[in-house]
Amino acid sequence: AQKITQTQPGMFVQEKEAVTLDCTYDTSDPSYGLFWYKQPSSGEMIFLIYQGSYDQQNATEGRYSLNFQKARKSANLVISASQLGDSAMYFCAMRLYVNTDKLIFGTGTRLQVFP
Amino acid sequence: KAGVTQTPRYLIKTRGQQVTLSCSPISGHRSVSWYQQTPGQGLQFLFEYFSETQRNKGNFPGRFSGRQFSNSRSEMNVSTLELGDSALYLCASSLASGATQYFGPGTRLLVL
Repeated sequence: AQKITQTQPGMFVQEKEAVTLDCTYDTSDPSYGLFWYKQPSSGEMIFLIYQGSYDQQNATEGRYSLNFQKARKSANLVISASQLGDSAMYFCAMRLYVNTDKLIFGTGTRLQVFP
Repeated sequence: KAGVTQTPRYLIKTRGQQVTLSCSPISGHRSVSWYQQTPGQGLQFLFEYFSETQRNKGNFPGRFSGRQFSNSRSEMNVSTLELGDSALYLCASSLASGATQYFGPGTRLLVL
């Protein structure tokens, strides 16, 4: 069965420092996509970054980068130069490309950025 | 371009009642998915629609139903509400099957 595991319930980081949020996944399908979403206290899920299973290079989007290690089945999110506004819940999710858009989410990591 | 909109944003109902939640996708998006988020169960997939057809359904009882209209707007209905249905209901849309999903602000449902 497909599964996403986020082992860090909470993380603290000082402003302007980098932080890595861990995500491991489990699937036997060769074709899948991995996503990271940010959820502020308002509730809306904000798309951050995407990595396809066949992508050769790690995805980057501004201050966000995805450290994709396929053999280890990990897709860690790296946030560089943290800002106070980065404080939120972060969810890792996976989608299989089998005629569905269904996302399987991890339990999330609460990130708190302090001055 | 406007994002995904969901109405209402907040809702209070009592057990046994039914509720209808609405989702308007980003203009041009044809795929809509619904998720339930609770502190205990996390984010769980409810169902997804593409071109008015339900393509996939999560492991929820038949009290949960949905539909999609020709303009891609979607509604979900929960009948005979239970206390455990209290949750944040999130809708997401994507341009096409396989594209990135963008979420709306959610509807917070409280069942008393």
